[in-house]
Amino acid sequence: DIQMTQSPASLSASLGETVTIECLASEDIYSNLAWYQQKPGKSPQLLIYYANSLNDGVPSRFSGSGSGTQYSLKINSLQSEDVSIYFCQQNYDSPRTFGGGTKLELK
Amino acid sequence: QVTLKESGTGILQPSQALSLTCSFSGFSLSTTGICVSWIRQPSGKGLEWLADICWDDGKGYNPSLKNRLSISKDTSNNQAFLKITSVDTADTATYYCARTYYYDGTYGPFAYWGQGTLVTVSS
Repeated sequence: DIQMTQSPASLSASLGETVTIECLASEDIYSNLAWYQQKPGKSPQLLIYYANSLNDGVPSRFSGSGSGTQYSLKINSLQSEDVSIYFCQQNYDSPRTFGGGTKLELK
Repeated sequence: QVTLKESGTGILQPSQALSLTCSFSGFSLSTTGICVSWIRQPSGKGLEWLADICWDDGKGYNPSLKNRLSISKDTSNNQAFLKITSVDTADTATYYCARTYYYDGTYGPFAYWGQGTLVTVSS
């Protein structure tokens, strides 16, 4: 199985700040990487697919980048509604696997 | 508009079988490339992909659950089903179904999710 390692596990930031979450795959996943946002008590929602493609309706302050084994999610100008847990997930091979999650809180 | 909704046994005892239903609208499981997946999440923990079934009746299972999983579909009624045998307390989780795709060797992301259904295994 491809292991997905996310960092940091938790993050505290101020409104308006830029935050970055990292995701490391145990092998090359050729940009088959998705990012999800999960708000408390809700199901995950797709933010980014194929490493850098923004899903419909997702604010442009979210962006994804990376290749090979290293990927990142960047949130510009943090808003209060961005408080969530963020997960990365590889779609390159089965079983599809997720990172452990990053809990983003407001400082 | 794509929607999915999970339903199933809320509480069950160890060794029993868990049956889950995903009822969906806004797409068809007979459309080339479309798949429905099951994913679970223990409370406060991460996500685990379990299985998926695709338009061509192709099926995929997470090897970590060995032979306990069985996935099926009813295309006419827009439903997908998951059965997990011999449950134990470690199977306590919220279970989600999600729409994805698989075509020409490429998996897609989980673009649409249901609201989830909580399953508790307790003696």
